[in-house]
Formats: sequence, C-alpha cells, structure tokens
Amino acid sequence: DAKTTQPTSMDCAEGRAANLPCNHSTISGNEYVYWYRQIHSQGPQYIIHGLKNNETNEMASLIITEDRKSSTLILPHATLRDTAVYYCIVRAEGGTASKLTFGTGTRLQVTL
Amino acid sequence: DGGITQSPKYLFRKEGQNVTLSCEQNLNHDAMYWYRQDPGQGLRLIYYSQIVNDFQKGDIAEGYSVSREKKESFPLTVTSAQKNPTAFYLCASSMLFYGYTFGSGTRLTVV
Repeated sequence: DAKTTQPTSMDCAEGRAANLPCNHSTISGNEYVYWYRQIHSQGPQYIIHGLKNNETNEMASLIITEDRKSSTLILPHATLRDTAVYYCIVRAEGGTASKLTFGTGTRLQVTL
Repeated sequence: DGGITQSPKYLFRKEGQNVTLSCEQNLNHDAMYWYRQDPGQGLRLIYYSQIVNDFQKGDIAEGYSVSREKKESFPLTVTSAQKNPTAFYLCASSMLFYGYTFGSGTRLTVV
C-alpha cells in the first residue's frame, strides 16, 4: 500500500470549515483513499473513502486531485466534537490483502 | 444492534502472565484484525484473519497469538514473550473490500 504524509497537527475555529490535507504521491491506480478519525481513547471511526471522484456524505467531503497524488478531507462546519486525530490511508481493493496501515495522522483541535 | 465488542475495557497483568483479550462481532464480517496503539502513536497491525481457521501475521506479531475458530470471534493472547505489552489494543472487522468497524478497545497495563 502507498505511503501517506499528513501534517502533525492543525487548529480550526468552531463553525469554520476544517480542511485536512494528505499527500499520497505513490498511489497506484487501484488504491482507494480512506479517512478515519479517532477521538481520544476510542476506536477509529470511518469517515469517507474515494477512488478518483470527489465524494460527500453526512460527515465530510473528500476532494481528490486529478493526478490522485493528494487529497483533502473537508469538515464543512467544525464543532468541538470534531476534535480528534484524523488518519488518511490508501488501500488497494481486490486480491487477498485488505489490511489498513495507519500512520500517525493529523491531530485536529477545534477551538471556540 | 450490530457491532463489535471488546472486553475487558481495562486489564492488568502481572509480568510473566499470559492474558487473552476478547473480540466479538455480530456484523457477519469475514475479516477481523488486531491493532496495537502506544501513546501518541498510530495503529500497528498485530494479526489479521480473512476467513475462519486462517490468520496472518501483521507488522508486530512477536509475543502475540490468535485463533479464529468462529467467524464472530477473534481472541488475542498476549504472551509472556511480549516484552512491552502495556498498550491500547483495538480490534476491527470488515467485509472484504469495505471499510473497517472498530471496537472500543482494551487498555492493557503490566503491573
């Protein structure tokens, strides 16, 4: 699976959009981009994933660049409850390997 | 409600003892995983299983053992050979090709 690079930490004011970047310059054509988040001392929570088109769900939007070498997770109106560590992961679908590899993620702090 | 349950939430172990962490899921997921997380660190894969009676080592399998006798259950044993077992342990499950569902974790402390 391709390696990802994320900033160590970010701050965001409550009510503003939080834009979390991720670089995955070695991504392969069959690898999806996944985002998870982990609130302190809990298990990670799935947020969203995509292959090459932009995706949106009730939690967030995922913007993937045309060359697929980077992506941005957007939380449109951040709240204090969105304070967490956010993990960007790339993973190939198909075949026998389905394990996710987590890096250290981005620690997002939402403030008043 | 469907979900994945880890027990106990907190576990204390004396040095030299083996302990077993439970993980049960009722999501009918094929694959199950065990991760370890140390303070301020990301998750590291210990073992994973894609079908019953089959499992593979992850990145840090030494000192751990697992079994997968039932689809719903994937217990992890932390053996005395694991030199630094104090950590937060997370179990997850997934259907192949889909995202993971995580349990709430077990915090193991060696005393």
